[in-house]
Amino acid sequence: DGGITQSPKYLFRKEGQNVTLSCEQNLNHDAMYWYRQDPGQGLRLIYYSQIVNDFQKGDIAEGYSVSREKKESFPLTVTSAQKNPTAFYLCASSVRAKQFFGPGTRLTVL
Amino acid sequence: DAKTTQPPSMDCAEGRAANLPCNHSTISGNEYVYWYRQIHSQGPQYIIHGLKNNETNEMASLIITEDRKSSTLILPHATLRDTAVYYCIVANFGNEKLTFGTGTRLTIIP
Repeated sequence: DGGITQSPKYLFRKEGQNVTLSCEQNLNHDAMYWYRQDPGQGLRLIYYSQIVNDFQKGDIAEGYSVSREKKESFPLTVTSAQKNPTAFYLCASSVRAKQFFGPGTRLTVL
Repeated sequence: DAKTTQPPSMDCAEGRAANLPCNHSTISGNEYVYWYRQIHSQGPQYIIHGLKNNETNEMASLIITEDRKSSTLILPHATLRDTAVYYCIVANFGNEKLTFGTGTRLTIIP
């Protein structure tokens, strides 16, 4: 089955801890993205990568880091520097601006 | 990318056509109109896109005005499962980076 997987669906962490969210795709897409969504709001772009070993900051990159060592994988680390990390995180990949999204990870920092 | 304006919410009776408007008065000649929808607590789903001609697929129809300053997404026979937030986005075809606003919350009424 082709698609994007994100794990876990729900994640709880203590304040001050770094946490890494997983995103894997088997669609053979070059471009991948991470978005953050807060309640009642639209999606905001955190980081994106158009090719392996390269990525760019989006609109709200502070407190986040990414890597793109493989085409299939684009993990996002939420660091302790992120002031308000509790949110719904969505990963996507795309071809010709048609984006395909994963099911999301809901992160709660206690 | 050009900005879009959508009504914050709309209702539609089940079985009727749902017409969702979008204004994009600053759209440039090489920018496409994309529609996505997001059902509660899921990742957004691509619906349709177009440049200037009307488009139809198995999910919806997209009507773009001749001056390209506005468009309408049509769901021909709305069902309860069409209740979602619908996003209208304008972007260059080769630009993989999309900007999601707050969209229109469509509620299908039984």
